[in-house]
Amino acid sequence: GNSVTQMEGPVTLSEEAFLTINCTYTATGYPSLFWYVQYPGEGLQLLLKATKADDKGSNKGFEATYRKETTSFHLEKGSVQVSDSAVYFCALSGSGGYNKLIFGAGTRLAVHP
Amino acid sequence: DTEVTQTPKHLVMGMTNKKSLKCEQHMGHRAMYWYKQKAKKPPELMFVYSYEKLSINESVPSRFSPECPNSSLLNLHLHALQPEDSALYLCASSQDGTVNTGELFFGEGSRLTVL
Repeated sequence: GNSVTQMEGPVTLSEEAFLTINCTYTATGYPSLFWYVQYPGEGLQLLLKATKADDKGSNKGFEATYRKETTSFHLEKGSVQVSDSAVYFCALSGSGGYNKLIFGAGTRLAVHP
Repeated sequence: DTEVTQTPKHLVMGMTNKKSLKCEQHMGHRAMYWYKQKAKKPPELMFVYSYEKLSINESVPSRFSPECPNSSLLNLHLHALQPEDSALYLCASSQDGTVNTGELFFGEGSRLTVL
């Protein structure tokens, strides 16, 4: 079945450091891929998405490229801020409609000044 | 208005109590969702309503009973819960539940503690 694997956290960085959070997936067909972010005490927010191979999603300085050959969708940011501290979830759209998302386990990011 | 509003934010209940969680959105979305999130885990889908009809029930125990009175409101009725049901319950909505855009709008959640 479809699944998403994320790198284990927590990831601890200093402000202005480069961020990579790895995400790989297993899926039949051609799912869309997503990154959601959950700030402390809040619900999830869609950060970015890509709907087909080689698409690059970007938002708020974050980027991720849909790599079909490596079944990956790694999240990157060139210079993180303290305000980026949150839990990041990689997800893919399951089959059968109804926006049935399959989430990875989540990666906690802590950014220190 | 791009918000999904959930009430209450916190709920403590005993195993014999009956309570309800409420969710409201005014974005004109036609699909609404309940997710359950345990600590340090990803959200798990419980129910999907599309055009006010229950479309997906992920084999959720009957002690959880969803209700969609209209396209803006979603309730989750709770009865005879177990301590292991303690979790953050997230409501979400999307524009159209039949198209896989993957773009869900989440509320802040209702944190439930069952004693």
